[in-house]
Amino acid sequence: DVKVTQSSRYLVKRTGEKVFLECVQDMDHENMFWYRQDPGLGLRLIYFSYDVKMKEKGDIPEGYSVSREKKERFSLILESASTNQTSMYLCASTISGSGNEQFFGPGTRLTVL
Amino acid sequence: QKEVEQDPGPLSVPEGAIVSLNCTYSNSAFQYFMWYRQYSRKGPELLMYTYSSGNKEDGRFTAQVDKSSKYISLFIRDSQPSDSATYLCAFDRGSTLGRLYFGRGTQLTVWP
Repeated sequence: DVKVTQSSRYLVKRTGEKVFLECVQDMDHENMFWYRQDPGLGLRLIYFSYDVKMKEKGDIPEGYSVSREKKERFSLILESASTNQTSMYLCASTISGSGNEQFFGPGTRLTVL
Repeated sequence: QKEVEQDPGPLSVPEGAIVSLNCTYSNSAFQYFMWYRQYSRKGPELLMYTYSSGNKEDGRFTAQVDKSSKYISLFIRDSQPSDSATYLCAFDRGSTLGRLYFGRGTQLTVWP
């Protein structure tokens, strides 16, 4: 059974803190994605990676960075958390190629106070 | 113009109703058309997938694609309370990077 796991289901941080969100997949997928999901705005792509150490900006990369040191792990970093980064963060992965299913993790609900 | 437009609802129907969910898109490069279903406090999961115009049926679900009008639909027959979820349309341009373009999602509630 395919599996994408995220390090935390719920996270509460203070403004200005550095925040790490971890995502691990066990399917040997090349491509991994970070989204945020907000009511009324849907899923918005922050960053994605198509190989180890390779990354591409999505639609809303400002305020975020990513790291992919190993194929199975993709980290999202909030360098200095702000209240407008309070959101649901979803990680996904897929094999290389087109028309393939993205497999999602359960999400991390991040609250920045 | 946004690449993908989807009415966010919410949509509330009685059990047994036929549900129609729709998305329009503007990018002619989209080659694959998908519907994801997301239950509350879960990640989205692929529900239906097609790559050509026409209809595709899977049980109570039918996905319809009209490339000429840039319009896709998902029909749910004999809707059940277990169908209550958010439905997201998604589009793939056929790149090896696997990036998808999602609609905002339509929240559906089926009441008994």
